[in-house]
Amino acid sequence: AQSVTQPDIHITVSEGASLELRCNYSYGATPYLFWYVQSPGQGLQLLLKYFSGDTLVQGIKGFEAEFKRSQSSFNLRKPSVHWSDAAEYFCAVGSQGGYGNKLVFGAGTILRVKS
Amino acid sequence: EAEVAQSPRYKITEKSQAVAFWCDPISGHATLYWYRQILGQGPELLVQFQDESVVDDSQLPKDRFSAERLKGVDSTLKIQPAELGDSAMYLCASSRRTVEQYFGPGTRLTVT
Repeated sequence: AQSVTQPDIHITVSEGASLELRCNYSYGATPYLFWYVQSPGQGLQLLLKYFSGDTLVQGIKGFEAEFKRSQSSFNLRKPSVHWSDAAEYFCAVGSQGGYGNKLVFGAGTILRVKS
Repeated sequence: EAEVAQSPRYKITEKSQAVAFWCDPISGHATLYWYRQILGQGPELLVQFQDESVVDDSQLPKDRFSAERLKGVDSTLKIQPAELGDSAMYLCASSRRTVEQYFGPGTRLTVT
């Protein structure tokens, strides 16, 4: 069965500092991997996705993520954090079924940005 | 940009009452998903539709929850009777076949 682990419940970074959010997955085949962001009381917005090909993927809002098969990881990075990036971030793994992909989410990492 | 619509955004209900949530997916998206997100956790899939057919409801508590998508477009999720443990955010998402999911703003349910 698929599973996703986000080891950090909370992370605090200073505005302008770099950011890395960790994600480890368990899946028996080539995974489909996603990062979503959720602001308080809101739905989830897709930041980026990995299906195949280049293991470094670019997303919206200046985010990128790197797929490392050997480490079963898909960490999210941003070189310079803005105060508006404060939110909760979810990593998800998808299985390619017959009718679209079923997502399994991690528990999330809450990002706090200090000025 | 097209979005997934959900209503209501907030719902407060007493335990043992019935409650219903509505979702209108992005036009042309054949696959629709209902997730439940308990505070402090990631979303968990309750039910997945392909057009009007249920393709996965393995995590849906069928004694009290029901979902339908009669015409293969919008969908309704119902809880009857509601229990205190049902307090959560209920998220709807849609996708084209084999592509990423787009989420609506969610319905925050509080059961008192």
